[in-house]
Amino acid sequence: GENVGLHLPTLSVQEGDNSIINCAYSNSASDYFIWYKQESGKGPQFIIDIRSNMDKRQGQRVTVLLNKTVKHLSLQIAATQPGDSAVYFCAENMEGGSEKLVFGKGTKLTVNP
Amino acid sequence: DVKVTQSSRYLVKRTGEKVFLECVQDMDHENMFWYRQDPGLGLRLIYFSYDVKMKEKGDIPEGYSVSREKKERFSLILESASTNQTSMYLCASSLLGADEKLFFGSGTQLSVL
Repeated sequence: GENVGLHLPTLSVQEGDNSIINCAYSNSASDYFIWYKQESGKGPQFIIDIRSNMDKRQGQRVTVLLNKTVKHLSLQIAATQPGDSAVYFCAENMEGGSEKLVFGKGTKLTVNP
Repeated sequence: DVKVTQSSRYLVKRTGEKVFLECVQDMDHENMFWYRQDPGLGLRLIYFSYDVKMKEKGDIPEGYSVSREKKERFSLILESASTNQTSMYLCASSLLGADEKLFFGSGTQLSVL
């Protein structure tokens, strides 16, 4: 779990484009994954989660994809808006219990108008 | 919506002072957590609690203690603040036995001079 991380530390997109934020995890036993959004000066806000028995889950304008074969997690944001500018980070859990969540360090998404 | 409230948004303290960070949640969650967030290091768990009057050490408990006298309130105590405890402190809560999703407060930015 210590190697939960991100492929890119920063991502810049144009308003209206789709964004893809990636996360790699190292433990194949991890069975629960969460994406959080953290705006400047605020606490992390839950976006979407997925369990390992699924490979895709959709929310409002967001989709999380899980590829267990390569231990890769991604967050797709459709029609990105300026309000989506934030740091996004993933978390994984392999043992159950919220205290076992291991957080990635985050990707900063900047949406250009 | 779950509301996790941290009493102070910003705090400035002097080395050696005793510091109290307060957190209250309004959704009757059993679990409460204290994290610190530092650039490049991500979120690190300090202490957590599954019930009133119980506490468990997280990954970095040294220099901290906690108190949970009531279910809705979880306090983080710095017995003798040091400059290396300058950080963003985040409180979180979650339901016992449910998925591991954490709900965070807005954070307290503590500066120790």
